[in-house]
Amino acid sequence: GEDVEQSLFLSVREGDSSVINCTYTDSSSTYLYWYKQEPGAGLQLLTYIFSNMDMKQDQRLTVLLNKKDKHLSLRIADTQTGDSAIYFCASGGSSNTGKLIFGQGTTLQVKP
Amino acid sequence: DAGVTQSPTHLIKTRGQHVTLRCSPISGHKSVSWYQQVLGQGPQFIFQYYEKEERGRGNFPDRFSARQFPNYSSELNVNALLLGDSALYLCASSTDRGETQYFGPGTRLLVL
Repeated sequence: GEDVEQSLFLSVREGDSSVINCTYTDSSSTYLYWYKQEPGAGLQLLTYIFSNMDMKQDQRLTVLLNKKDKHLSLRIADTQTGDSAIYFCASGGSSNTGKLIFGQGTTLQVKP
Repeated sequence: DAGVTQSPTHLIKTRGQHVTLRCSPISGHKSVSWYQQVLGQGPQFIFQYYEKEERGRGNFPDRFSARQFPNYSSELNVNALLLGDSALYLCASSTDRGETQYFGPGTRLLVL
């Protein structure tokens, strides 16, 4: 079936790089997404990558996609305390339903 | 430009009641999707509507229904509420069937 898995927790020091990993099962996913959720808020789209790409960079964010292993990662350079949040990986675009399949989220804790 | 808006922000209901949640998409977006996010989990897909037609439905009982209006706003209805329906209900809009979905702040529903 369709599934997305993420590690639950990551703790880093301010100024370090953070790497959040995700694996997915739907090989027909057209797009893969990273969303950020702060406490009590909705989801903020951070970035997304088309399935025929292997890397995308957007300012401090770098997304790496290994389609063969169905592995996606999000690297945040120079992590700041304001980056503390829950990060969700999602796969989608493989059907006409618009359905996104989300992981359970990775809580990023940034220590000053 | 206004993002996705949802109302109400919070709602308390008792078991057996029904509830209507509302969503207004980003101007120019014709697709609206609904997700349920239980505390500590990733969002689960409920419905997508595109051009006022249901294009996708997740694994939710018939107590859940939705519709989309000519102005592309949408309502999610839940009948015969159960305690397990307590969750954050998120609405997302997109320009097509879901390539890039932008989320609203959500409606937090508590069923007592």
